[in-house]
Amino acid sequence: RKEVEQDPGPFNVPEGATVAFNCTYSNSASQSFFWYRQDCRKEPKLLMSVYSSGNEDGRFTAQLNRASQYISLLIRDSKLSDSATYLCGTSGNTPLVFGKGTRLSVIA
Amino acid sequence: DGGITQSPKYLFRKEGQNVTLSCEQNLNHDAMYWYRQDPGQGLRLIYYSQIVNDFQKGDIAEGYSVSREKKESFPLTVTSAQKNPTAFYLCASSILSGPGYGYTFGSGTRLTVV
Repeated sequence: RKEVEQDPGPFNVPEGATVAFNCTYSNSASQSFFWYRQDCRKEPKLLMSVYSSGNEDGRFTAQLNRASQYISLLIRDSKLSDSATYLCGTSGNTPLVFGKGTRLSVIA
Repeated sequence: DGGITQSPKYLFRKEGQNVTLSCEQNLNHDAMYWYRQDPGQGLRLIYYSQIVNDFQKGDIAEGYSVSREKKESFPLTVTSAQKNPTAFYLCASSILSGPGYGYTFGSGTRLTVV
């Protein structure tokens, strides 16, 4: 089993839709969790950290389920500009391990 | 503005050549990392450094070498021993190593073997 797994997508959604991605991790010692956004041929940029209690930043909500070992990202009211690949990253006492990413296309 | 600068943006290497990718940060971060990304793939860790004059191998260190003589700089050399070096190379840094610290990435170097 790979350490961090994501559905590669693509998720094709209309503008205004709500979309959710999951990311499962196998290392039960993982302590930190992040979502990154990566545009085509660009570097990943930190979207948000994921806290145990869940956290929200505008239209974005991240949640952690330690029992089932997954994190989720919910995007409400999708915009065309949300089209990108979303990477999850986890770490314990070692550097971040990333999933392969989930591609989102928001369609007008 | 603080950030990470990678250069060059594009690099072409002939078979059998060593090439060095530059990574400089002015964020005063202690930890620095090198990842490799292949098309449709995730990021794979090559090397990382938690402090000056110290570095550790990542998952795919074979064919690569690094140095960390200054806090701001973490150059990566792709040697001729790396058989499939064509990829997108990303340098990152964090305030400290360990859990809880997100990474800031440079804009990357695209290396192509010709």
